[in-house]
Amino acid sequence: AQKVTQAQTEISVVEKEDVTLDCVYETRDTTYYLFWYKQPPSGELVFLIRRNSFDEQNEISGRYSWNFQKSTSSFNFTITASQVVDSAVYFCALSHNNDMRFGAGTRLTVKP
Amino acid sequence: ETGVTQSPTHLIKTRGQQVTLRCSSQSGHNTVSWYQQALGQGPQFIFQYYREEENGRGNFPPRFSGLQFPNYSSELNVNALELDDSALYLCASSFWTGYQETQYFGPGTRLLVL
Repeated sequence: AQKVTQAQTEISVVEKEDVTLDCVYETRDTTYYLFWYKQPPSGELVFLIRRNSFDEQNEISGRYSWNFQKSTSSFNFTITASQVVDSAVYFCALSHNNDMRFGAGTRLTVKP
Repeated sequence: ETGVTQSPTHLIKTRGQQVTLRCSSQSGHNTVSWYQQALGQGPQFIFQYYREEENGRGNFPPRFSGLQFPNYSSELNVNALELDDSALYLCASSFWTGYQETQYFGPGTRLLVL
């Protein structure tokens, strides 16, 4: 069975602080994909990143970075120098054969 | 802006009624997935359609059904509505190439069942 755990329900930081959102997944499949999505109050899920299970290289995109470690089944997301506009719910998801499972989400609040 | 649109944006129904939600996929995308997101939870996979055929289904009863049309737009139908069906319904489109491609989500339809 596939499962995604986002242990942090809510995180609150002050603008310009760095913040890491944790994601731990469970799967018996060797081929799978991991995603992060951002959901602002409007409700639309905004795609942030997709990684396949064979690519453990960390990725940086502007203020965003992702740390994928198969040894610990984790795919953590770090926002550097957070901004108020980063406030949203962030979802980590795991997909295999079109079955996409989402975590419960982490609500990030960035205060000015 | 993902290019995926959904209608209506909001809907109120009563228990026992039937509802149809619509999704227009991003141009060129041949796959559409539907998700149910209850308040405060992550989205739950309902089913996926590829080239007008159901291509995977989550743990939802048969009263949840779907259609995908040749122009890749799609519908989610829910019969015999229950109070627990109140949720945000999201559709997502992608271009299936045999590998899991990125899904682009629409803004969702908020359904309230009274």
